[in-house]
Amino acid sequence: DVVMTQTPVSLSLAIGQPASISCKSSQSLVHSDGKTYLSWILQRPGQSPKRLIYLLSKLDSGVPDRFSGSGSETEFTLKISRVEADDLGVYYCWQTTHFPNTFGAGTKLELK
Amino acid sequence: EVQLVESGGGLVKPGSSLKLSCVASGFTFSTYGMHWIRQAPKKGLEWIALIYSDNTNKYYADSVKGRFTISRDNSKNTLYLEMNSLRSEDTAMYYCAKGRYNPDYWGQGVMVTVSS
Repeated sequence: DVVMTQTPVSLSLAIGQPASISCKSSQSLVHSDGKTYLSWILQRPGQSPKRLIYLLSKLDSGVPDRFSGSGSETEFTLKISRVEADDLGVYYCWQTTHFPNTFGAGTKLELK
Repeated sequence: EVQLVESGGGLVKPGSSLKLSCVASGFTFSTYGMHWIRQAPKKGLEWIALIYSDNTNKYYADSVKGRFTISRDNSKNTLYLEMNSLRSEDTAMYYCAKGRYNPDYWGQGVMVTVSS
């Protein structure tokens, strides 16, 4: 199985500060079709998960451009240029290239 | 507007069975693969199953293989998860999600509690 190692476990940041979350996979997430099926999910407190980014770096409609995704092969990063109050929650990376599909353990973003 | 509405959860005893449903609307259900994902209380997300749009392929996590069955009825826009031989460790919120490779929308979830 592909292991998704996500760090840090938690982040405590003030509004306006940048954030960076890392996700490393135990094998390449490049599919035989050439695409990298890595997405970033946010679960706000008490809510169901919501996708923010797919195919490594494509922002979902309505997601502010403060968010960005990058990386390749086995190393991926989610960045928030300036944290806002609405950003708090738990962030997960999710690979859907290989079976079984697997999630990172999550990064909890708290506001300082 | 895409909507995924799960139902069928509840409190059951270890060893029993339960069937979850996920009713889809707002998109052409028959053209999308569908996932089931679960989240144990205060834990992270765990992918458990996927079914292709045309019912041809199904995949499972090892933790549920042989006990859970994913299925769909495209005429009813409904995804199912039949759960047998339930264990306490199956206690979780169960979510359905739309899309094989790029799952985008999630339902609100349905709670399953396995306890004697």
